[in-house]
Amino acid sequence: GAVVSQHPSWVICKSGTSVKIECRSLDFQATTMFWYRQFPKQSLMLMATSNEGSKATYEQGVEKDKFLINHASLTLSTLTVTSAHPEDSSFYICSARAPGLAGQNEQFFGPGTRLTVL
Amino acid sequence: GENVEQHPSTLSVQEGDSAVIKCTYSDSASNYFPWYKQELGKGPQLIIDIRSNVGEKKDQRIAVTLNKTAKHFSLHITETQPEDSAVYFCAASRGGLSTLTFGKGTMLLVSP
Repeated sequence: GAVVSQHPSWVICKSGTSVKIECRSLDFQATTMFWYRQFPKQSLMLMATSNEGSKATYEQGVEKDKFLINHASLTLSTLTVTSAHPEDSSFYICSARAPGLAGQNEQFFGPGTRLTVL
Repeated sequence: GENVEQHPSTLSVQEGDSAVIKCTYSDSASNYFPWYKQELGKGPQLIIDIRSNVGEKKDQRIAVTLNKTAKHFSLHITETQPEDSAVYFCAASRGGLSTLTFGKGTMLLVSP
């Protein structure tokens, strides 16, 4: 149980184009999903927290107009990188909070999406 | 905000040896401490977690200990195997709707 999928697993795009990444919770309903960015040999950096049916909360320094997040259902959140540039090349990982005991907050991670912007 | 320090950054052991990774946290209100294993090119996988009402938790070859007074927690892997080689991340959270704060990661290399 608690499986999270991402699509695509990797994508290459040209500078200036937009790319959409999907994150799905396959066997549970996720009221909250998170989007992280990870550079090589570094830790995970939280970009935004996405709650179903409401606007995402972005971390300081993350441009909300560049990284559009939509959480339209309890099993799907999308991250769109708009007008991508080479510096946006990174490993993007989503996670979903699994329902559990009150006050608990297990997060289960997707397999990640490797974005390369040429 | 929370700050999580993780050591060592790299750990090399022989197969069959034990490995210990340590993390310290700064926020005394943190009460949830998960550990993740990340293999190359993959997302992190939750391997074990501990909550602040427990001092130790074991799952086969993996154990986690928590010292709330000193604000540190450790991951212990016994009888290491080559397939244990990966990057391990600790994290801390206040629980509930709070976000996770990650350590910088430890690359564990298990040599056969």
